[in-house]
Amino acid sequence: RKEVEQDPGPFNVPEGATVAFNCTYSNSASQSFFWYRQDCRKEPKLLMSVYSSGNEDGRFTAQLNRASQYISLLIRDSKLSDSATYLCVVNKGLSGSARQLTFGSGTQLTVLP
Amino acid sequence: ETGVTQSPTHLIKTRGQQVTLRCSSQSGHNTVSWYQQALGQGPQFIFQYYREEENGRGNFPPRFSGLQFPNYSSELNVNALELDDSALYLCASRPSGTGADGELFFGEGSRLTVL
Repeated sequence: RKEVEQDPGPFNVPEGATVAFNCTYSNSASQSFFWYRQDCRKEPKLLMSVYSSGNEDGRFTAQLNRASQYISLLIRDSKLSDSATYLCVVNKGLSGSARQLTFGSGTQLTVLP
Repeated sequence: ETGVTQSPTHLIKTRGQQVTLRCSSQSGHNTVSWYQQALGQGPQFIFQYYREEENGRGNFPPRFSGLQFPNYSSELNVNALELDDSALYLCASRPSGTGADGELFFGEGSRLTVL
């Protein structure tokens, strides 16, 4: 079983749609969680951190359920520019400043005009 | 623009050869990590350097090695290249003092093809 598993996708949605991505992680000791976005043939960039209380950044809402080891990302009112691969990322929480991020395989989103 | 630059951007090697990839991170970023991203997969953690010392390593064999220099630039070396080493190699850095939750800033990567 992979440490971080995501919806396989791809997701093809019309502009203005709401789309949700799900992710599960296997290591219960994981301490911090993120969504990164990766455009085609570009580097990953942080989209948002994910907190237990849930957090929102404009059209994007992230949720974390520690009991179920489940993370979600909701995108409302999709824009063409949202087309990208969305990577679910978990920090194993090693001691000190060491930080090992474990990435899911990513979910590809295409927003259609 | 993340301020993390990598070179070369693309290269082709043959099986058994050795390769060195380079990364220059932003001033003030004292932690650098390297990731391997195969086609259609997420990045996989190779190792991390903090103040010129390796302080974390993923599930990669010893033929993957690295260095971090006093100016916080970094190298990834891969010996005895195998076909499965073909991937995008990403360097990431984060600022000093941001703690384990600090954002990682990735370079655009070096795309290695092994024939």
